[in-house]
Amino acid sequence: SQELEQSPQSLIVQEGKNLTINCTSSKTLYGLYWYKQKYGEGLIFLMMLQKGGEEKSHEKITAKLDEKKQQSSLHITASQPSHAGIYLCGAVSTSGTYKYIFGTGTRLKVLA
Amino acid sequence: GAGVSQSPRYKVAKRGQDVALRCDPISGHVSLFWYQQALGQGPEFLTYFQNEAQLDKSGLPSDRFFAERPEGSVSTLKIQRTQQEDSAVYLCASSLERRRGNTIYFGEGSWLTVV
Repeated sequence: SQELEQSPQSLIVQEGKNLTINCTSSKTLYGLYWYKQKYGEGLIFLMMLQKGGEEKSHEKITAKLDEKKQQSSLHITASQPSHAGIYLCGAVSTSGTYKYIFGTGTRLKVLA
Repeated sequence: GAGVSQSPRYKVAKRGQDVALRCDPISGHVSLFWYQQALGQGPEFLTYFQNEAQLDKSGLPSDRFFAERPEGSVSTLKIQRTQQEDSAVYLCASSLERRRGNTIYFGEGSWLTVV
């Protein structure tokens, strides 16, 4: 079955620093979603990537999907305390029936 | 509605008690998903509805878990004879249609604690 692995599992950075979170799939991705989750809340949609080599940006967050469509990265520039939370990558499973699968998440803490 | 709405937000149940969790998806969304998220983990798929049809229930952990969406809009996840291992956040999500390019939108989740 298809799996998504995220790294690192957790990250603590000083405010103003850049950081990158990675998501690797065991199979070719047909679409890769990035979500952010704050403790006690639901998942907030950030971005979706579909094409190999695609890159999208929103404010200080940039997400990329590699050409082979098996790896994605999420990059935050000049991090702020408001960026703290859990970042999850998700994808439509290519195994079995129609459903979305998720990585285990990366917990980000930004120190002021 | 504007977003996916779930209720209750928090539920404390005594072991053995039955619970019902409600999901009100975004209006017009055909696809509805239920996920279970344990502390420190990513969401795990439970079940999927397309309109009123439950097309996949392979993720339901036991026959104590039951989900329905009788009129193709609101859905209820029922857990019978709750056990401590059922403690988790239960997330509902919906999307416009069954297509890979569609984004799924999540509700705030229902936090279940079984004591």
